[in-house]
Amino acid sequence: EVQLVESGGGLVQPGGSVRLSCAASGFTFGSYWMTWVRRAPGKGLEWVANIKQDGSEKYYVDSVKGRFTISRDNAKNSLYLQINSLRAEDTAVYYCARVVAALRKWHFDLWGRGTPVTVSS
Amino acid sequence: QTVVTQEPSFSVSPGGTVTLTCGLSSGSVSTSSYPSWYQQTPGQAPRTLIYNTNTRASGVPDRFSGSILANKAVLTITGAQADDESEYYCMLYLGSAISLFGGGTQLTVL
Repeated sequence: EVQLVESGGGLVQPGGSVRLSCAASGFTFGSYWMTWVRRAPGKGLEWVANIKQDGSEKYYVDSVKGRFTISRDNAKNSLYLQINSLRAEDTAVYYCARVVAALRKWHFDLWGRGTPVTVSS
Repeated sequence: QTVVTQEPSFSVSPGGTVTLTCGLSSGSVSTSSYPSWYQQTPGQAPRTLIYNTNTRASGVPDRFSGSILANKAVLTITGAQADDESEYYCMLYLGSAISLFGGGTQLTVL
């Protein structure tokens, strides 16, 4: 089955760190750009970060630069998001998604169910 | 700072037609923004509806269609059904692997 399954979320104290994981199955993981998207309570979807197939290019929304690190392990079919110096505004459900990136194409076509991160003392 | 604009809310009667728009604060939306549309109901993962302006994702009913109109991306739902009541997000590609979602439109079917 083609799917993405996130894990690693939970309750974290402000200033703490968390590492989110996304396990991919049913497709050739290493052939796709991957992305993280989050949705904070009462807010809409927010694109967070992208990573190229081989990990050589990474892009972040300005609000997370310097605190978030996206990475991947193609041998393990896994995507990661390391979040440091957590703030209350990072509280959200974090989704991983597969990116269709090709000539004249760019969209997210496969989504995980998300993992919630709550930043609170 | 670039902002993707969407109507915060919209209502449609069952069987009716509704058009949701997606604009760009810093200019116009074109096909080179590769507009895509996503549906999200509470507690669920987003679902891809439309990509590349007007291509329906696999399994999406043909009552959903996408286009560009008056410099905005548009999602049209023709013959709205009760289970179309949901939030709808557009996403634009800004170049250099950067994506930006709109604020979303809450669609009510009543």
